[in-house]
Amino acid sequence: EIVMTQSPLSLPVSPGEPASISCRSSQSLLHSHGYNCLNWYLQKPGQSPQLLISLGSNRASGVPDRFSGSGSGTDFTLKISRVEAEDVGTYYCMQALQSYTFGQGTKLEIK
Amino acid sequence: EVQLVQSGAEVKKPGESLRISCEGSGYSFTTYWINWVRQMPGRGLEWMGRVDPRDSNSNYNPSFQGHVTMSVDKSISTAYLQWNSLKASDSGMYYCARSISLVDFDFWGQGTLVTVSS
Repeated sequence: EIVMTQSPLSLPVSPGEPASISCRSSQSLLHSHGYNCLNWYLQKPGQSPQLLISLGSNRASGVPDRFSGSGSGTDFTLKISRVEAEDVGTYYCMQALQSYTFGQGTKLEIK
Repeated sequence: EVQLVQSGAEVKKPGESLRISCEGSGYSFTTYWINWVRQMPGRGLEWMGRVDPRDSNSNYNPSFQGHVTMSVDKSISTAYLQWNSLKASDSGMYYCARSISLVDFDFWGQGTLVTVSS
C-alpha cells in the first residue's frame, strides 16, 4: 500500500497570507505515461470533500487561481497564494496510482 | 448538473444488516466507477472500494473485503453499499464519489451517516 504523509497537520494562517501544505508518498506517483497520480481535496466543515487539484497540478473547474499544485514523483505541494476565510477546512492529498490512499489531512484555520 | 445523492442517516444495532444508496444524475452513469469512502468520527478518509456500473465488477480495499458488498442497479443509476452484520466500529460517514481514468473523485455525494449502537 502506498502511504501518504502530509505536513503540517495543523496550519493557522492570517487572512491574505500565503499557505503551503506538503504531501509525500512512500512510492513514486509518476505514471509511465508521464503524469503524476496525485490529487488534492478540501473538506470544508460539515461538507463533502471537493476536488481542488488533479494530476498534481491541474486546477479543477471553478477552483480559484490562488490555489496551485506542484511536485513530482514522491514530493508534492499545495499552495494558497492569499488565504481567505472561505479556505478554512481540512486539506487531503490522495494518490491514485495504486488503488487510492489519502494523507492524514491538514487542518487550515484562520488566525 | 452532475449530482450524486445518497440515502439518509441510519441508526442500527450491532448484528443488523444495512444497505445505503447513491443515485447519480446529470451524466452517463455507466461511464464512471462509483467509489465508497469511509470517514470515521473526527478522522480522515479511507477508500473502501469501487464498483463498475457497466457490469457490476467491484474492487475492494483488503481492509473492507468480506465485510461489505458493493453493487449497482444501472436501470435506476444507483449504487449500493451493504453490510450483512454491522459492528459498532462501522459507525461513521460514508461517501460515494465517481471516478474514471485520469478523473478521480471529481464529484462526491453528500454523505450518509451510519450509527451502530446497542
